[in-house]
Amino acid sequence: GDSVTQMEGPVTLSEEAFLTINCTYTATGYPSLFWYVQYPGEGLQLLLKATKADDKGSNKGFEATYRKETTSFHLEKGSVQVSDSAVYFCALPPEDTGRRALTFGSGTRLQVQP
Amino acid sequence: NAGVTQTPKFQVLKTGQSMTLQCAQDMNHEYMSWYRQDPGMGLRLIHYSVGAGITDQGEVPNGYNVSRSTTEDFPLRLLSAAPSQTSVYFCASSFGQAPYEQYFGPGTRLTVT
Repeated sequence: GDSVTQMEGPVTLSEEAFLTINCTYTATGYPSLFWYVQYPGEGLQLLLKATKADDKGSNKGFEATYRKETTSFHLEKGSVQVSDSAVYFCALPPEDTGRRALTFGSGTRLQVQP
Repeated sequence: NAGVTQTPKFQVLKTGQSMTLQCAQDMNHEYMSWYRQDPGMGLRLIHYSVGAGITDQGEVPNGYNVSRSTTEDFPLRLLSAAPSQTSVYFCASSFGQAPYEQYFGPGTRLTVT
């Protein structure tokens, strides 16, 4: 079945450091891929998405490229800010439309220090 | 648009009590779902619905009931609360019948003593 594997956290960085959060997936087809972000005390929000291989999703300075050959969708940001401190989830939709729900990774907590 | 709203924000229950977590969305989304979020376990699907009158079980449905009498509302009922149901509960919705881009509510933090 579908699965998503994310790097273990927490990730602690200084402000303006480069961020990479790894995500790999297992699926029989070529699904869309998502990154969600959860700020402290809030629900999840869609951060960015890619709908096909080699697509690059981007938002708020974050980027992720859909790599079919390595089944990966790593999240990157060139210069993190304290306000980026949050939990980041990689996710993919089910192949069977109308069934079940998104498959989420376990989440990676990012802590950015001033 | 208010998006997805959940009430209450916090709740403390005693073991054996019952209660209903409310969820509503004003985006005319057909798909709605309930997740629970526990430390180290990520998000786990409890129940979902692909439209009014249609519900189905997710990964962890035991101890919970849902109904979907309208497109807007998707309440989650705890029948007899247990300490294992202490968690943060999120309701989410998405356009169409597929859980594609989901919109999440702010969550309900439930403690069962």
